[in-house]
Amino acid sequence: QKEVEQNSGPLSVPEGAIASLNCTYSDRGSQSFFWYRQYSGKSPELIMSIYSNGDKEDGRFTAQLNKASQYVSLLIRDSQPSDSATYLCAVGNFGNEKLTFGTGTRLTIIP
Amino acid sequence: DTEVTQTPKHLVMGMTNKKSLKCEQHMGHRAMYWYKQKAKKPPELMFVYSYEKLSINESVPSRFSPECPNSSLLNLHLHALQPEDSALYLCASSLTSGSPSYEQYFGPGTRLTVT
Repeated sequence: QKEVEQNSGPLSVPEGAIASLNCTYSDRGSQSFFWYRQYSGKSPELIMSIYSNGDKEDGRFTAQLNKASQYVSLLIRDSQPSDSATYLCAVGNFGNEKLTFGTGTRLTIIP
Repeated sequence: DTEVTQTPKHLVMGMTNKKSLKCEQHMGHRAMYWYKQKAKKPPELMFVYSYEKLSINESVPSRFSPECPNSSLLNLHLHALQPEDSALYLCASSLTSGSPSYEQYFGPGTRLTVT
């Protein structure tokens, strides 16, 4: 059974601080990693994808992958109230059509 | 442009009704997906179409019937649903289903209520 685990939160972070979201996965064959943001009542929005060990930066977002530790994280710098949402971690294998989603972390940015 | 469109946005149907959900993308993606999402849960995969052929059916009850008329369109036909089928139904697409770069892009969803 492939599992993806996230802390459900809620995670509360002051405005302007760094929000750190974590995700662990059980399948060592996993090769693709995604972070989705989902506002209440809306659909998931892809914000980051990462495939290689290390960091990947896009604006205020940085994804970090450590395959040896089976760990992927998302850092949000200069957090804004508009970042308040549920963040879903999703993991896939090469050639596998299915993504395994974590249960999501609810993030609240406090003004 | 990474836009997937879905219609209708909201649907209320009785248990004896037949209705259809529609999904469309014009990104040249060759893999399309149907997901079901309940409140405070992650999306749950229902079906995958790859190059217009059904490649995955996650043991979904036959009251849900998918159809892929062409590479841009995906339908989900609904018949004799139960109240517990009420959920947000999400369509997604990706470039292909067999690449390492299969980022999936979701549509806005259809909020389905079965009465």
